[in-house]
Amino acid sequence: TQLLEQSPQFLSIQEGENLTVYCNSSSVFSSLQWYRQEPGEGPVLLVTVVTGGEVKKLKRLTFQFGDARKDSSLHITAAQPGDTGLYLCAASNTGNQFYFGTGTSLTVIP
Amino acid sequence: NAGVTQTPKFQVLKTGQSMTLQCAQDMNHNSMYWYRQDPGMGLRLIYYSASEGTTDKGEVPNGYNVSRLNKREFSLRLESAAPSQTSVYFCASSTEHSYEQYFGPGTRLTVT
Repeated sequence: TQLLEQSPQFLSIQEGENLTVYCNSSSVFSSLQWYRQEPGEGPVLLVTVVTGGEVKKLKRLTFQFGDARKDSSLHITAAQPGDTGLYLCAASNTGNQFYFGTGTSLTVIP
Repeated sequence: NAGVTQTPKFQVLKTGQSMTLQCAQDMNHNSMYWYRQDPGMGLRLIYYSASEGTTDKGEVPNGYNVSRLNKREFSLRLESAAPSQTSVYFCASSTEHSYEQYFGPGTRLTVT
């Protein structure tokens, strides 16, 4: 049983389009992180959110933590080919045990 | 700073063979982790070490052992490899009770 479900699993869009990726759980978490992973490399942290309803922006990326701290979304505005990669959400309550989602593989076509 | 380093990058084992995956970090982090990544499964925690001298099981510990050799190094051992252990293994580290993990480049292991 996967604790964190991500959708969609695969996404292929044209450069300049907007997109949203979702991370959902039936459990409440103290924190949620978003990572991006490129082929042959380890995940790289993008953002951490800890407060219900929190919104963080990182250039064209907007991250939101659900009010109930069970879900999160990642919105990319005007996607670019450099945004291509695997996007992973991860959640934790203790800061020791982390649970990862299954990932969303994003391809941005020039 | 090299961050988190892992060796080897690739390894092929026969069923029943043993091997140790090495991980080292130079960021003075207290916590270290071992994950495996399989297609469609995301990353799953095998073992973690909250501080030097302590280790705890994660989600999928069966078939693995770990050693926290010192603050910098955390190794993962497969005593008798099985085809089900074919995967990409990632080591990560973080400061104590931090939610931010830093990952190594991974070891791609194939067991035939």
